[in-house]
Amino acid sequence: GQQVMQIPQYQHVQEGEDFTTYCNSSTTLSNIQWYKQRPGGHPVFLIQLVKSGEVKKQKRLTFQFGEAKKNSSLHITATQTTDVGTYFCAGPQGAQKLVFGQGTRLTINP
Amino acid sequence: KAGVTQTPRYLIKTRGQQVTLSCSPISGHRSVSWYQQTPGQGLQFLFEYFSETQRNKGNFPGRFSGRQFSNSRSEMNVSTLELGDSALYLCASSSGQGARVTFNGYTFGSGTRLTVV
Repeated sequence: GQQVMQIPQYQHVQEGEDFTTYCNSSTTLSNIQWYKQRPGGHPVFLIQLVKSGEVKKQKRLTFQFGEAKKNSSLHITATQTTDVGTYFCAGPQGAQKLVFGQGTRLTINP
Repeated sequence: KAGVTQTPRYLIKTRGQQVTLSCSPISGHRSVSWYQQTPGQGLQFLFEYFSETQRNKGNFPGRFSGRQFSNSRSEMNVSTLELGDSALYLCASSSGQGARVTFNGYTFGSGTRLTVV
């Protein structure tokens, strides 16, 4: 079945540095969703991208959806300690199932 | 509006026992999806229910089952617990139009942390 791969698995940065996580799907996706899970918390929906080549920004976060709709990235500019957590991408498999990547765990040295 | 409510928050069970977890979705949401989260396997899809019908099921043994009631509340049951069933079980609520058109994403509950000893 469809697989969603995410890299890197872990990323440690100094506060103020940038951070990027990449997501790749084995099949073309109708949309890609991104979630953030804080330590000890649950995943929280961040955004959904639908169009080929789409770029969306949320303050310091930039989300991109690839032209072929098989890959996506999340870039955080000038990380802050509040950005700590695990970032997941997710894509639909069929109409009623959302498949999640393994996640990228971000830790920040203040 | 109230979020997704999962009960209980924590459970400790012994191998061989069974357990029932509950999830109340956001009011008006008719779809409930269940996920198992472990450090090694990430978020694994268990099943999805909409209007009391299971529409999709993940690759889990038959010991894992679920159901949904007419008020959209859902329960999942794990029978004959094994040590490997220790995990965070997450319930996700959505409007039910399907993952392809879920523009508002899924809303997750805080989860039930199950420990099997």
